[in-house]
Amino acid sequence: AQKITQTQPGMFVQEKEAVTLDCTYDTSDPSYGLFWYKQPSSGEMIFLIYQGSYDQQNATEGRYSLNFQKARKSANLVISASQLGDSAMYFCAMREGEDNFNKFYFGSGTKLNVKP
Amino acid sequence: DSGVTQTPKHLITATGQRVTLRCSPRSGDLSVYWYQQSLDQGLQFLIQYYNGEERAKGNILERFSAQQFPDLHSELNLSSLELGDSALYFCASSVGGTFGTDTQYFGPGTRLTVL
Repeated sequence: AQKITQTQPGMFVQEKEAVTLDCTYDTSDPSYGLFWYKQPSSGEMIFLIYQGSYDQQNATEGRYSLNFQKARKSANLVISASQLGDSAMYFCAMREGEDNFNKFYFGSGTKLNVKP
Repeated sequence: DSGVTQTPKHLITATGQRVTLRCSPRSGDLSVYWYQQSLDQGLQFLIQYYNGEERAKGNILERFSAQQFPDLHSELNLSSLELGDSALYFCASSVGGTFGTDTQYFGPGTRLTVL
């Protein structure tokens, strides 16, 4: 089974609107971390937001928030007030285990296009 | 600029050859990670080093090897190259160690083309 599933290969959103990018994960480990990364067309990978499996609150970083639904094993990224510069590939990732020495799993990504 | 440097930026070589990719982590980071991004396989975790020791291994082929040196820079060696090894190779670094966000900061990548 896929560890990380991103079911939306591509999405469009109007500038200034909010958009949700879906991510579901599969693990039996009670300790894990979930990450979102942005990859603009220039190619670099940019860390956006992190959610730990034991975190009680949904993570937020500026216009980014992570809608963490543990029972459903989903970790959707919400971008509020989209900007043209948000057009990029977005990757969801997971690391299992209680330390930082475990494999990292990435989803296949969602290409977001923000329309003016 | 993430603070992670990778050289070279582009590499073009032939099948059967061997290449070395180099990564310098951010100052203070002890962990280095290597990833391969290709069109058909997506982003694949290859290997992680922490303070000179291998700590996690992903889908790294036997033809590939890596090491982290005492000054914490890392090299990824790819040998007996095949057409399918053409990809963007990323290095990332993090503080490492304790559980938590341990944010990884990615370098700009090395674009490898095998002809």
